[in-house]
Amino acid sequence: KQEVTQIPAALSVPEGENLVLNCSFTDSAIYNLQWFRQDPGKGLTSLLLIQSSQREQTSGRLNASLDKSSGRSTLYIAASQPGDSATYLCAVSPPGGGNKLTFGTGTQLKVEL
Amino acid sequence: NAGVTQTPKFQVLKTGQSMTLQCAQDMNHEYMSWYRQDPGMGLRLIHYSVGAGITDQGEVPNGYNVSRSTTEDFPLRLLSAAPSQTSVYFCASSYGRWKGISGANVLTFGAGSRLTVL
Repeated sequence: KQEVTQIPAALSVPEGENLVLNCSFTDSAIYNLQWFRQDPGKGLTSLLLIQSSQREQTSGRLNASLDKSSGRSTLYIAASQPGDSATYLCAVSPPGGGNKLTFGTGTQLKVEL
Repeated sequence: NAGVTQTPKFQVLKTGQSMTLQCAQDMNHEYMSWYRQDPGMGLRLIHYSVGAGITDQGEVPNGYNVSRSTTEDFPLRLLSAAPSQTSVYFCASSYGRWKGISGANVLTFGAGSRLTVL
């Protein structure tokens, strides 16, 4: 059974700092990996999707990497801002794709002024 | 473009009552799914569908029923509510076939339905 772990569970950084969020998964046979953002009381918003054949994806200040063989992904946030404060979740989908995602429990990020 | 719409946003039930959480999407997505989110446990898959008329169980299907009669709708039915079903429920949808366009195959979530069973 696929298990996804995110460490740390919570993180607090000063504004402007670059930071890395970690995601690890136990079964390297995945179709893709997605990073999501969740604001309190809200739904999830997809940030980046990395196909299993890709190594990284970038969107603005965000960069996600994938090392399938070691079962790891990182989300790099450059020049953090208070508006980046949210919970970040990663999720993997099994071979064959589809929407049967296995989620991590998330990292709660707080960016302080 | 409304995306994924869930109703109701909030609901309080008594043990043993039944209800249906509604989910509709207007993006012509083939795949739809239901997740529940509980503190400390992340999101867990309840049921999913790869197209109209096709459904299958996820990780935590007991006590829930689904059907997919149209591409747009994927309702989740609680047959006899229990306190253990107190949770936030999310519906999500995506394209099935890989589109080859950045961002096209991401999962789109609804805003959630918060259910309390007393």
